[in-house]
Amino acid sequence: KNEVEQSPQNLTAQEGEFITINCSYSVGISALHWLQQHPGGGIVSLFMLSSGKKKHGRLIATINIQEKHSSLHITASHPRDSAVYICAVRAPLQGAQKLVFGQGTRLTINP
Amino acid sequence: KAGVTQTPRYLIKTRGQQVTLSCSPISGHRSVSWYQQTPGQGLQFLFEYFSETQRNKGNFPGRFSGRQFSNSRSEMNVSTLELGDSALYLCASSSEWNTEAFFGQGTRLTVV
Repeated sequence: KNEVEQSPQNLTAQEGEFITINCSYSVGISALHWLQQHPGGGIVSLFMLSSGKKKHGRLIATINIQEKHSSLHITASHPRDSAVYICAVRAPLQGAQKLVFGQGTRLTINP
Repeated sequence: KAGVTQTPRYLIKTRGQQVTLSCSPISGHRSVSWYQQTPGQGLQFLFEYFSETQRNKGNFPGRFSGRQFSNSRSEMNVSTLELGDSALYLCASSSEWNTEAFFGQGTRLTVV
């Protein structure tokens, strides 16, 4: 079982819909990252969270440390939001701090 | 401020060869970390350097190594290349450990 699990793996929605991507983890963490990867490979860091909630434009990220769960929300989705969204946690594993990634959620927003 | 620069962007090597990839972090950033991305395994952490010292290491064989220079630029080396090393190699820089990371565009390595 992976330390970081994302759901859904694939998500297709219509422009304007409210999008939620979930991330659950099984280890104690010092921080959680949400990343966006467009075709071609470039990765953009969207949020880094250790508690609570952060908002940037149409994007909102929340984390519940007790439940080991984070969500990424996109309001008023747009075709340019189509990308792979990756959750990653920084956790002490095997004696060192490591960054462990979820498998990603492929989001497609149709016009 | 210039972003994270990785060179080269694309590389084709033959099995058994060795390769060196370069990453120039954002000016002022002292932490550089490296990742491998493959279709089968997704993103995996390789190692992290801070002020020229390797601070963390992922579960990769000793053929994968790296270093960081006094100007924070980092290089990653893979020796005795295998077909399975074909991947997108990404580096990210941050100002301090456990702060927001900024990613480069990656180096796409193909081993034939």
